[in-house]
Amino acid sequence: EVQLLESGGGLVQPGGSLRLSCAASGFTFSTYTMTWVRQVPGKGLEWVSAITGSGGITYYADSVKGRFTISRDNSKNTVYLQMNSLRVEDTAFYYCARPTAPGGAWYYDPWGQGTLVTVSS
Amino acid sequence: EIVLTQSPGTLSLSPGERATLSCRASQSVRSNSLAWYQQSPGQAPRLLIYGASSRATGIPDRFGGSGSGTDFTLTISRLEPEDFAVYYCQQYGSSPTFGQGTKVEIK
Repeated sequence: EVQLLESGGGLVQPGGSLRLSCAASGFTFSTYTMTWVRQVPGKGLEWVSAITGSGGITYYADSVKGRFTISRDNSKNTVYLQMNSLRVEDTAFYYCARPTAPGGAWYYDPWGQGTLVTVSS
Repeated sequence: EIVLTQSPGTLSLSPGERATLSCRASQSVRSNSLAWYQQSPGQAPRLLIYGASSRATGIPDRFGGSGSGTDFTLTISRLEPEDFAVYYCQQYGSSPTFGQGTKVEIK
C-alpha cells in the first residue's frame, strides 16, 4: 500500500524555523517527484514546493522562495521541507503529495494526512 | 500565474440531485491540464478527475469532468451522502495553482 506520513509540525514563533518530514512507503520513491501543498485551516489549497526524483531540481512558490528549502534522502524514502523565517501567514496544514506516475504530470494521488504548523507569538 | 476561480462558493442540494461545479481560468490551461479533488472534513484531498475529463482509479462514474481552454466543469450526476464535501480544481499546465473551492452542502 502506498503511504505518505508527515511529521514535524508544531508551534513556532514568528521568525523561527521548523523542518517537516514526509516518510514514503509502498512505491519506488526515487522515481517520483515529491511535492508539498499547504492549507490554511478552513481555507483553500496552495502548492508550495516540489523536488525531482534525483533531488537535482527544486521548485518553489513565490510566497516561500528564499525561506523554505525542499530536499530528499532517497536512502530513507523521505522528503523534507526546511522552513526558515516563518511568518504568521505560514500557519497551515502541510501535506506531502505524489503524482500518480513516475515522471508524470503534477496532479496528485496519494496525499499524506497532513501536519499542522502554527506560527504565533 | 494562472488564477482559478470556482463557482458557486456553496451549492445547497439534496441527495439524488445533480451538482454542477464551475472552474474558470485566468488564461488558457495548457493541454487541458486540469484536475478536480474532493476534500471531506478532516481528510486530505482525494483525486477525482485529471486531464479535465478522465476519472482517477476507483472513482464512481457519477463523477464527470468536461471543458477546455479556460472553462471547466465537474458534474456529479446523482449526489450520494458521501459526496457532500468541498471540491477543488487544480491546473498543472504551468506552475500548479488551485481554485478556492466549492462546498457542496445538504439542503
